[in-house]
Amino acid sequence: EAQVTQNPRYLITVTGKKLTVTCSQNMNHEYMSWYRQDPGLGLRQIYYSMNVEVTDKGDVPEGYKVSRKEKRNFPLILESPSPNQTSLYFCASSSYGDTQYFGPGTRLTVL
Amino acid sequence: AQSVSQHNHHVILSEAASLELGCNYSYGGTVNLFWYVQYPGQHLQLLLKYFSGDPLVKGIKGFEAEFIKSKFSFNLRKPSVQWSDTAEYFCAVSNDYKLSFGAGTTVTVRA
Repeated sequence: EAQVTQNPRYLITVTGKKLTVTCSQNMNHEYMSWYRQDPGLGLRQIYYSMNVEVTDKGDVPEGYKVSRKEKRNFPLILESPSPNQTSLYFCASSSYGDTQYFGPGTRLTVL
Repeated sequence: AQSVSQHNHHVILSEAASLELGCNYSYGGTVNLFWYVQYPGQHLQLLLKYFSGDPLVKGIKGFEAEFIKSKFSFNLRKPSVQWSDTAEYFCAVSNDYKLSFGAGTTVTVRA
């Protein structure tokens, strides 16, 4: 089954404790992206990657890091999480310029 | 930079009523246009998309949207809504690699 998977689905952590949210796709898509969803703001892009070893900032990259060492994986790293990063996070993938397919989301709470 | 504006934050309807959600975007170049739906507790799913050709596009579950280039609009419509259409709806615009979302419209359908 073609899908985008994210782990964990739910995470509660404390300020400053490094965490990684994994994202994996099995559709051989070149493009992958991370978004955060906040009430009234829709989805805002954090980082995106157009292929292996090619990443770039989206609209709200501060406080986040990403890497793309393999085509299928695109982890999101929060080196020192803060409460304002409490949000719902979605990973997505697509073929270049085509429809993006979204993962199930990761609900992160930073205390 | 491209931006997307959705006219309504929250729409409340009765079953069988008609639905129209407004979406305008600002971007001078060629764009691809999407409507995504997010049912409660679920991830985003594609309703329909426009890349080129007939500006009236039909999607899943009886939804359709019309691209009016002169108005930079891509409004979503459904002639007769059902209770199961209760969800949040997002308009999105992409150029080659960046997908920008509107803030979303919450649609509540009363039985």
